[in-house]
Amino acid sequence: DAKTTQPTSMDCAEGRAANLPCNHSTISGNEYVYWYRQIHSQGPQYIIHGLKNNETNEMASLIITEDRKSSTLILPHATLRDTAVYYCIAPYSGAGSYQLTFGKGTKLSVIP
Amino acid sequence: ETGVTQTPRHLVMGMTNKKSLKCEQHLGHNAMYWYKQSAKKPLELMFVYSLEERVENNSVPSRFSPECPNSSHLFLHLHTLQPEDSALYLCASSQDTQGPQPQHFGDGTRLSIL
Repeated sequence: DAKTTQPTSMDCAEGRAANLPCNHSTISGNEYVYWYRQIHSQGPQYIIHGLKNNETNEMASLIITEDRKSSTLILPHATLRDTAVYYCIAPYSGAGSYQLTFGKGTKLSVIP
Repeated sequence: ETGVTQTPRHLVMGMTNKKSLKCEQHLGHNAMYWYKQSAKKPLELMFVYSLEERVENNSVPSRFSPECPNSSHLFLHLHTLQPEDSALYLCASSQDTQGPQPQHFGDGTRLSIL
């Protein structure tokens, strides 16, 4: 499975865009990049995923570089409720099933 | 509301007790998962079920016994646990296991072993 590397922590001012980077230089051509987040005392929450093209949904935008070695999750207008640990994951197919391997993620603190 | 409900939310048990964790999903998914999240450690995948059949068992000790009676329900039966088994146990579901399907998680059961 492709290993991902994320900064340990980041701060973002409330109302500003939060840009969370992720390196996945060993990703293969058919491996998707997924983003989840985990707010304290809750289970992980799916945010977005993509393969090659940039993606946008109601929660965030995902920008994937052309060489697919890195990506950036963008929360356009961060709120205090966006404070969470954000995980960048490149699932692999083990024995016929996709498996999510969670790392330590990036702890995002949104500051008033 | 994620569509995945876990009960109980908190559980305290002795090492000789037998208890069960329950997970129910209301999303019409065919795959269900158990994860373990220990303090300061990443989530670890324990079991994967697809259409009620176990397809993955990631070297989990036999004191953890999963059961999937139908595609909407998943149980984790616990017996003679150890203190190091204290953790947050998370259930998730997805449409299936074969494609890049997002997984939807419950809020977990916080388990404490005395």
